[in-house]
Amino acid sequence: GAVVSQHPSRVICKSGTSVKIECRSLDFQATTMFWYRQFPKQSLMLMATSNEGSKATYEQGVEKDKFLINHASLTLSTLTVTSAHPEDSSFYICSARDPDRQETQYFGPGTRLLVL
Amino acid sequence: AQSVAQPEDQVNVAEGNPLTVKCTYSVSGNPYLFWYVQYPNRGLQFLLKYITGDNLVKGSYGFEAEFNKSQTSFHLKKPSALVSDSALYFCAVGRSYNTDKLIFGTGTRLQVFP
Repeated sequence: GAVVSQHPSRVICKSGTSVKIECRSLDFQATTMFWYRQFPKQSLMLMATSNEGSKATYEQGVEKDKFLINHASLTLSTLTVTSAHPEDSSFYICSARDPDRQETQYFGPGTRLLVL
Repeated sequence: AQSVAQPEDQVNVAEGNPLTVKCTYSVSGNPYLFWYVQYPNRGLQFLLKYITGDNLVKGSYGFEAEFNKSQTSFHLKKPSALVSDSALYFCAVGRSYNTDKLIFGTGTRLQVFP
């Protein structure tokens, strides 16, 4: 199946710093990638849709100035959590849509962010 | 608006027995339905999907799901459960072929006992 990677898998940072998370589609080109956030024992919450070469589309209630998304190429999208605070601690998961596989979304392994 | 419901927070099954994880959906138009599995501290793994065609869809690891339009359901099934099937299962629905959004259910934790 299609492979999506995320880096880093885990990050611990101090409050006020910025953290960048990378999402890569390894064996297919993804014009669209998605960023989700998952709280403990809860479902995935879509944060934004990342489109290659254009601005991301954010879901209602998600601060676009806090969660910066860049989709610079067909295989890479980045999520930057700016001025992170402890309440930003969460599990962040990206997915990429493979247009050759009937629009199925394939998910990365996730990034655990802990803000101290 | 799209929505998906997984009515059971947890399902317990003995190894070797059949398992069912329930999912119902609400969407205008034709639904596109997916099942994903999540192991601890991992991302989601794609299991199977229904786009069109046969109502019974076969997926990875011996799982299958049946699309029932009249009952708006897409229950996940497996004839014989394995302990290694223990994980968190998510049902998701999209609204069109070119859907940009998947709406996920709240997840069902499957526990298979030896």
